[in-house]
Amino acid sequence: GAVVSQHPSRVICKSGTSVKIECRSLDFQATTMFWYRQFPKQSLMLMATSNEGSKATYEQGVEKDKFLINHASLTLSTLTVTSAHPEDSSFYICSVLAGGAYSNQPQHFGDGTRLSIL
Amino acid sequence: AQRVTQPEKLLSVFKGAPVELKCNYSYSGSPELFWYVQYSRQRLQLLLRHISRESIKGFTADLNKGETSFHLKKPFAQEEDSAMYYCALSLSRDNAGNMLTFGGGTRLMVKP
Repeated sequence: GAVVSQHPSRVICKSGTSVKIECRSLDFQATTMFWYRQFPKQSLMLMATSNEGSKATYEQGVEKDKFLINHASLTLSTLTVTSAHPEDSSFYICSVLAGGAYSNQPQHFGDGTRLSIL
Repeated sequence: AQRVTQPEKLLSVFKGAPVELKCNYSYSGSPELFWYVQYSRQRLQLLLRHISRESIKGFTADLNKGETSFHLKKPFAQEEDSAMYYCALSLSRDNAGNMLTFGGGTRLMVKP
């Protein structure tokens, strides 16, 4: 069965709207989750590492104020795309990691959220 | 900087033919490499990792540090192997935990 639940699977909204995406770890407590972005016909690019109880670690070039990450519990991380614009349209994927931030365990991925900003 | 390269965006073979999906990496540390697969309309899932040295669904991958490669191979392709395959490198960062760097992906099409 699924290890990770990601919702919603699809969002279509107007420019200027803020959109929240949830990522839930179903099988284990996860101190570390990841958020990726995938453009059409391209690979997954890591946006940020979500750390339970502390600030997220953002990759270079990712705007912290644009992509707000909250990891308030060991099973839930949320990504909020604030004041979304058409260029934010993309496929967003979360993953969870068992064993902590330095674990060598494989990541488990969600189904992804397709965000379309009109 | 670390980098993962999958030179083929698309690989098309006939059922029963051998398959090799290429993956090359550049990383100054000790590499931890994975192959992930995404079947149509499904989530990305782990296929295999180099430290396990196991065969999954008939696929194997050997880490060649001299050639900095981690090619994925299967002697006889099946139609159900058609999917998107991603090679990924895990690296550890000071004060930031581990992260995965993905290659661009290769779409494997196995024709009947």
